[in-house]
Amino acid sequence: GAGVSQSPSNKVTEKGKDVELRCDPISGHTALYWYRQSLGQGLEFLIYFQGNSAPDKSGLPSDRFSAERTGGSVSTLTIQRTQQEDSAVYLCASSARTSGSPGELFFGEGSRLTVL
Amino acid sequence: RKEVEQDPGPFNVPEGATVAFNCTYSNSASQSFFWYRQDCRKEPKLLMSVYSSGNEDGRFTAQLNRASQYISLLIRDSKLSDSATYLCVLPAAGGTSYGKLTFGQGTILTVHP
Repeated sequence: GAGVSQSPSNKVTEKGKDVELRCDPISGHTALYWYRQSLGQGLEFLIYFQGNSAPDKSGLPSDRFSAERTGGSVSTLTIQRTQQEDSAVYLCASSARTSGSPGELFFGEGSRLTVL
Repeated sequence: RKEVEQDPGPFNVPEGATVAFNCTYSNSASQSFFWYRQDCRKEPKLLMSVYSSGNEDGRFTAQLNRASQYISLLIRDSKLSDSATYLCVLPAAGGTSYGKLTFGQGTILTVHP
């Protein structure tokens, strides 16, 4: 499979627990994005990576959210002390562009997080 | 004005109809625009890119009006399979970097027999 892969596809957790969401982008794509989508809502930008660095972290909702990317490939989004309002689908996307407009973003199928 | 604003719909049209939706944007410096399509409980996928005045691909036409700061998507001869949410997308305000894309809330289209 050559697409963006995310895991887990579904995660149910209790309030206060930490969760890790993983994204494996398309091979060779240098740009990686995290968005989240709440039920019936649009996509909310979280963070963007170019290589291993994150030029734009402006969308992370609070300091409970962090993300890293290693080897210019896999990225992990970590949510500490989860709250019910964190329940959403977390979408990862990657892009091959390195300058100018990002061009086409290829999305994974998302990780659906439910915080009880 | 929001960075990107769309009429959420829903638009309910019969097969074969022509339907159009608009998207307004606030950043007058935006140079590129995109329409993505999102099927129910699926990930968004690129439908069309708009870099100049417009773009046409088969039954789909996107037009850009820079003076009024809106882009439109026209679908001719609607098919049942066109039922989806259509997302208007552009680089975030103030962002000349190749990073952040701002997504509109989406317009829901339902094509019925």
